[in-house]
Amino acid sequence: DSGVTQTPKHLITATGQRVTLRCSPRSGDLSVYWYQQSLDQGLQFLIQYYNGEERAKGNILERFSAQQFPDLHSELNLSSLELGDSALYFCASSVELPNSPLHFGNGTRLTVT
Amino acid sequence: LAKTTQPISMDSYEGQEVNITCSHNNIATNDYITWYQQFPSQGPRFIIQGYKTKVTNEVASLFIPADRKSSTLSLPRFSLSDTAVYYCLVGDPGGGYNKLIFGAGTRLAVHP
Repeated sequence: DSGVTQTPKHLITATGQRVTLRCSPRSGDLSVYWYQQSLDQGLQFLIQYYNGEERAKGNILERFSAQQFPDLHSELNLSSLELGDSALYFCASSVELPNSPLHFGNGTRLTVT
Repeated sequence: LAKTTQPISMDSYEGQEVNITCSHNNIATNDYITWYQQFPSQGPRFIIQGYKTKVTNEVASLFIPADRKSSTLSLPRFSLSDTAVYYCLVGDPGGGYNKLIFGAGTRLAVHP
């Protein structure tokens, strides 16, 4: 168990809809990262937050947004969903110290129909 | 941005040692090398991290030559349960974009 909790585990929704994915980082971790993994694809980095502030941005679509709250949990909002958004969405957390690896949750599987 | 190159796939047999080599010719002075393991439908799991020479933990060993342009992950006594995708990342773990980019990884399959 990595200590990173993601909810829900599965989400099925229709095109055009909006969903929110939630992540609780490991206790003490200030950084949260979001990744997208489509079927048989690699992990695509979306965005990183550190203590509530955006730290780095990757290949995140404009239809997607994220935030990190004062209690350090994070939410990834996906809107105007398309079939191609179907994927596993992973959250990871880490401490901001040298040699600090990423600790991943088990993901939210999003299916857009 | 330090780029890594790994074999797309590898096959092995149960009980054998498996070695996966990752090339990172443009590694920077502050970069560490980190390996992750991902089982189907699960999040990646940290395996091992190193800067130079050899690092060993209860799961694997990591060999890094003096020039640090490559690294080799060694998994002893590979079993069916070790079938997964293995990712090599190079970056400054103190922060920064580099540590966030995963390559395609190496899909490791084991045969009985």
